[in-house]
Amino acid sequence: QQPVQSPQAVILREGEDAVINCSSSKALYSVHWYRQKHGEAPVFLMILLKGGEQKGHEKISASFNEKKQQSSLYLTASQLSYSGTYFCGFRNSGNTPLVFGKGTRLSVIA
Amino acid sequence: GAGVSQSPSNKVTEKGKDVELRCDPISGHTALYWYRQSLGQGLEFLIYFQGNSAPDKSGLPSDRFSAERTGGSVSTLTIQRTQQEDSAVYLCASSLRGANVLTFGAGSRLTVL
Repeated sequence: QQPVQSPQAVILREGEDAVINCSSSKALYSVHWYRQKHGEAPVFLMILLKGGEQKGHEKISASFNEKKQQSSLYLTASQLSYSGTYFCGFRNSGNTPLVFGKGTRLSVIA
Repeated sequence: GAGVSQSPSNKVTEKGKDVELRCDPISGHTALYWYRQSLGQGLEFLIYFQGNSAPDKSGLPSDRFSAERTGGSVSTLTIQRTQQEDSAVYLCASSLRGANVLTFGAGSRLTVL
C-alpha cells in the first residue's frame, strides 16, 4: 500500500525549515527517504529500521513512529541544494517490496 | 559495473508495438526493482526480484507488462501492445539485499505516439 505523503509541494527561503510527513495504514518494517533532483535519478538519504529511531544526514534528519505508522523528514536551515522532490518509501516486512509515496516537491529560493 | 545501467535511454514507439527495456544492475546486487515515473508523478512500483525467490509482480498495471531476470543479473521489462498511457520514465534500481540502499539507474524514457 502506497504511503500517504504531505505536503505535495513547499517553497522555502534559504535558511527556513520544513517538515515532510508520511503515513501508512499498515504496520511498517522500515522507512526509506530519497531525494530526486530535476532530470536525475533518485538518491538515497536515509533508512530507519526501528520504531522511534531518528537519523540525521547533515541538516536533514528523520523520525519513525512505529506505533503511529508515521515518519517525518526534517530539513533545517535549508540551502538551495536541498531543492528537489523527496520521496518516502515503506516496507511492511523484510520480504515485501519498497513502495514509495507520491513525493513532495521542495523549492528553496534565495 | 560501477552503477546501474539502463538501455535504451530514450525510446519512441508507435501505439500497439512491443518494447523491451533493459537493466544491468550493480554486480553482486541480489535485489532488483522496476518503477515507473509518469510526468510529475511519484515512483510507481512495478516488480521486485530478490535472489532466487519468485518475483513480486503485484505492481504490474496490466498483463501487457512482464519482466524477467536472467541468471540473477540482467533484467528485461517488456511492454506488449503499447498504449499512450504507458509513456513514462522507467527506472530500475538494485541493492545488496532487499532492505538496503537502492541505487537507481538513469532510466529509460518511453514515448508512445
